[in-house]
Amino acid sequence: AQSVTQLDSQVPVFEEAPVELRCNYSSSVSVYLFWYVQYPNQGLQLLLKYLSGSTLVESINGFEAEFNKSQTSFHLRKPSVHISDTAEYFCAVSGGTGGGNKLTFGTGTQLKVEL
Amino acid sequence: KAGVTQTPRYLIKTRGQQVTLSCSPISGHRSVSWYQQTPGQGLQFLFEYFSETQRNKGNFPGRFSGRQFSNSRSEMNVSTLELGDSALYLCASRVLGAVTDTQYFGPGTRLTVL
Repeated sequence: AQSVTQLDSQVPVFEEAPVELRCNYSSSVSVYLFWYVQYPNQGLQLLLKYLSGSTLVESINGFEAEFNKSQTSFHLRKPSVHISDTAEYFCAVSGGTGGGNKLTFGTGTQLKVEL
Repeated sequence: KAGVTQTPRYLIKTRGQQVTLSCSPISGHRSVSWYQQTPGQGLQFLFEYFSETQRNKGNFPGRFSGRQFSNSRSEMNVSTLELGDSALYLCASRVLGAVTDTQYFGPGTRLTVL
């Protein structure tokens, strides 16, 4: 079965500083990768996704993630965070062996942006 | 387009009772999936419905069931509630349910079992 590991449960960062949220997945076959964001008392919103093609994918609000097949990683980065980026971020994978078309999520990383 | 809607948003039940949660997908979406979110277990897949048929099921006991109607609206039911069923239940819809389709999530129903 496939799995997703988010090593950092919490990441504190000052406003305007860069941030990286790490995500590693386990699968020996092709998978599709997603980052979702969850604000307090809300559902999940898709931030960006990798399906195929360019390994660098970007979101409209300045986040980007790079698919690295050799390291089985899909880290999320932002060069300068804003206070409004405070939220929980989930990495997810679909496809792969035994994965089917459901999403398998990591345990989440709480990003806290401080002034 | 309106997003995914879930009702009710909050629910309090006692052990042993049963509960039904409702999800209305985005118009035109035929696939509906359900996820359970808890602090201890994180986000876990419950099941997916497509064209009124259950297409995929996660590792949950038979107390958890669901169905989908011809208008793609979906309900999930939990019978004989246990304290551990307290969670945020999220519904997600997508157009056809292909692995590359984006899943759009609703705000969730927060279930508290006392």
